[in-house]
Amino acid sequence: ETGVTQTPRHLVMGMTNKKSLKCEQHLGHNAMYWYKQSAKKPLELMFVYNFKEQTENNSVPSRFSPECPNSSHLFLHLHTLQPEDSALYLCASSSTGAENSPLHFGNGTRLTVT
Amino acid sequence: AQKITQTQPGMFVQEKEAVTLDCTYDTSDQSYGLFWYKQPSSGEMIFLIYQGSYDEQNATEGRYSLNFQKARKSANLVISASQLGDSAMYFCAMREGQGTNAGKSTFGDGTTLTVKP
Repeated sequence: ETGVTQTPRHLVMGMTNKKSLKCEQHLGHNAMYWYKQSAKKPLELMFVYNFKEQTENNSVPSRFSPECPNSSHLFLHLHTLQPEDSALYLCASSSTGAENSPLHFGNGTRLTVT
Repeated sequence: AQKITQTQPGMFVQEKEAVTLDCTYDTSDQSYGLFWYKQPSSGEMIFLIYQGSYDEQNATEGRYSLNFQKARKSANLVISASQLGDSAMYFCAMREGQGTNAGKSTFGDGTTLTVKP
């Protein structure tokens, strides 16, 4: 496998459910990211991990909880979400956090909260 | 604060013709990177091309080129010989190298490109 893989591709959950999104990168990168993409809004950075350490939490509500057990895997744990949390959640990785390092994205998880 | 502006919500181009997608940026940093990404309807964001702030030559990658005008703070994407598969959303992005926003990517609102047969 190559690139960045996200599972599941689609997820429907109720507001009281607990679910997790998974991201795996096979690129040997050291930085991983979660982005949220809502309709009619620009991409929003949620979390950044560098060498497994969280370096950025962009004022994300606590109902979103990231986990990075190693530099290849990133999870986003979801609980008691709201309908406005419905969006496309994109995982990305980059070689470093430097300004010349492009992001490599997964296919995204399209989340619907009912 | 860093900011990316894409003024064209939608663009149309005839197959085999060239098209320019506009992007302007705002930063007080001297060291930064500019990127273009393509997002087809399937959702995956695909990295297309990179331009460093200190690069004197415009970046090129196959049919993609970046028209970098530093003084005007613009980084327009030029797609030559458009193909039907180029129909997608295109995002301009910037990463700063220093300061509190170092390493963070800021994205524009995107331009939807439709290639007509």
